[in-house]
Amino acid sequence: AQKITQTQPGMFVQEKEAVTLDCTYDTSDQSYGLFWYKQPSSGEMIFLIYQGSYDEQNATEGRYSLNFQKARKSANLVISASQLGDSAMYFCAMRAWRMRFGAGTRLTVKP
Amino acid sequence: DTGVSQDPRHKITKRGQNVTFRCDPISEHNRLYWYRQTLGQGPEFLTYFQNEAQLEKSRLLSDRFSAERPKGSFSTLEIQRTEQGDSAMYLCASSLEDIEYYGYTFGSGTRLTVV
Repeated sequence: AQKITQTQPGMFVQEKEAVTLDCTYDTSDQSYGLFWYKQPSSGEMIFLIYQGSYDEQNATEGRYSLNFQKARKSANLVISASQLGDSAMYFCAMRAWRMRFGAGTRLTVKP
Repeated sequence: DTGVSQDPRHKITKRGQNVTFRCDPISEHNRLYWYRQTLGQGPEFLTYFQNEAQLEKSRLLSDRFSAERPKGSFSTLEIQRTEQGDSAMYLCASSLEDIEYYGYTFGSGTRLTVV
């Protein structure tokens, strides 16, 4: 069975600083995708970044990068130069068949 | 096409009433998913459609829940005899392919409150 673990229920970061949100996963599948979504208070799940299990390079999308360590089964999200608008819930997800989500991390960016 | 649309955004209902939610996926996406998200948790998978066929249902989907996608376009999720434990955000998502590197596009969700 797949399991996604996000151990940080809440994180604080100062505006303009970088922050890392942790994610570990457990699967016996060889081929899978890892995703990060942002969920503001409005409720919509916004796709941020994707990493394939066979990708050797870490994914980057603007201020977002994914620190993928396959042997450790971790897929941490790094947000550089945090902005006030980054305050939201962040979910790590994995898809081998159906997409499964972690419990999320609430990020608060302080001015 | 503006993405996945869900209606209503909010629904307050009395315990025991029936409610129905609608989801309009991205038009070219033939895969449609329903998820439920309770407070402080990540979304949990409920059910999956490929075109009009309901191919998978989670154990979370009790007999009081029914989902349809009659013409392979929009979908409805009905909850009969609502209970307070049904209070949650119901998220709909769609996808172009059923392959691990295709992500889902989510709607804004329907927040259900059962009083």
